[in-house]
Amino acid sequence: EPEVTQTPSHQVTQMGQEVILRCVPISNHLYFYWYRQILGQKVEFLVSFYNNEISEKSEIFDDQFSVERPDGSNFTLKIRSTKLEDSAMYFCASSPGSNYGYTFGSGTRLTVV
Amino acid sequence: KNQVEQSPQSLIILEGKNCTLQCNYTVSPFSNLRWYKQDTGRGPVSLTIMTFSENTKSNGRYTATLDADTKQSSLHITASQLSDSASYICVVTFTGGGNKLTFGTGTQLKVEL
Repeated sequence: EPEVTQTPSHQVTQMGQEVILRCVPISNHLYFYWYRQILGQKVEFLVSFYNNEISEKSEIFDDQFSVERPDGSNFTLKIRSTKLEDSAMYFCASSPGSNYGYTFGSGTRLTVV
Repeated sequence: KNQVEQSPQSLIILEGKNCTLQCNYTVSPFSNLRWYKQDTGRGPVSLTIMTFSENTKSNGRYTATLDADTKQSSLHITASQLSDSASYICVVTFTGGGNKLTFGTGTQLKVEL
């Protein structure tokens, strides 16, 4: 069964550093998403991406965040100047259409120290 | 504010028993409702997806119901197995740009011998 692949599985970074989280969505999917889950809390929407542009973003997704689809297969989330409160599990997801099931990746656990 | 509330917060049942998890939502306008299973440290996995016109949807031992009038949904698990131990999350799609998912807080289910 097709999978959404995320790398790395764990990332430890120092406060103020930049990190790039990588995702390979399912190849024929058109919609891409990033969500995050702070330990012990519910999953929160960050951003959705369609047709090579952001279609919606949450209040969390401020200027320190950016997304890119640098080629036909990768979808990245960049966090500039990380803060302690950015420590969370970050999930990438993709779907073939807006009313279809989403497939989530296994996540990248980001720890900012 | 669009919200998704779940009950109970946690539940312990014996292997082989059935259980029912509840979800109430205030998301409007509403597009569809999904139930996900999330193992610890993993990404959510889709169990069912229902549009507002559907009342019930089954996937193996999982049966979801939806009452769009009262804005309530339930997930019934029959003949529980140890591998059913996980967090079960009700997720509602808010109809708008990007069709973002609004996650509930989840019900932590533990199945014991």
